[in-house]
Amino acid sequence: EVQLLESGGGLVQPGGSLRLSCVASGFSFGSYDMGWVRQAPGKGLEWVSGISNTGIHTYYTDSVKGRFTISRDNSKNTIYLQMNSLRVEDTAVYYCAKDAPRSDGYFYFDYWGRGTLVTVSS
Amino acid sequence: DIQMTQSPSSLSASVGDRVTITCRASQSISKFLNWYQQRPGKAPKLLTTSASTLQNGVPSRFSGRGSGTDFTLTISSLQPEDFATYYCQQSYTTPITFGQGTRLEIK
Repeated sequence: EVQLLESGGGLVQPGGSLRLSCVASGFSFGSYDMGWVRQAPGKGLEWVSGISNTGIHTYYTDSVKGRFTISRDNSKNTIYLQMNSLRVEDTAVYYCAKDAPRSDGYFYFDYWGRGTLVTVSS
Repeated sequence: DIQMTQSPSSLSASVGDRVTITCRASQSISKFLNWYQQRPGKAPKLLTTSASTLQNGVPSRFSGRGSGTDFTLTISSLQPEDFATYYCQQSYTTPITFGQGTRLEIK
């Protein structure tokens, strides 16, 4: 059974930092791209970042470029999202998600974690 | 960035009804269109990929169609568990973008 377990969320002041982690199990982790998707309270889904299976290629939405860094450790079946210079508008539930098997195109997600809440407030 | 626009934003329907949700891309995305269902307090669930391919375990009352810029998700006979919010998502290019969501409510 595929499982994705996020951690690291919490309350942080504007300008602060947090590092999210996502531990995966139940599939061949090193064979799949992974991503982070967030959802602000009462709002829709927003893709944040993605990373290739080897970690060589990373992708970001414009609003987090230069502030967030995605990475992975395939020996630990874990991806990370380092979030710096946090803003009030980064407040959201952050979901870790597994990319589906595909031969072309870009990310779409067949398994999701339960999410971790990040609140940016003074 | 490719903008994804869903219509309607909300919809009231009854059990047994047939409903269709539309998703329009701001430029052609070929068939790189996926649909998700999200129930309150839960993570999204992938329903269809590549515009029309049903994921394993998704009931056959769900169907997707379209290519280029215009896509639809149809539920042929609504069941109580289908009342949720639905999102389209393009996987043609980065940044990946989602529609704003369609909330399907019980009439």
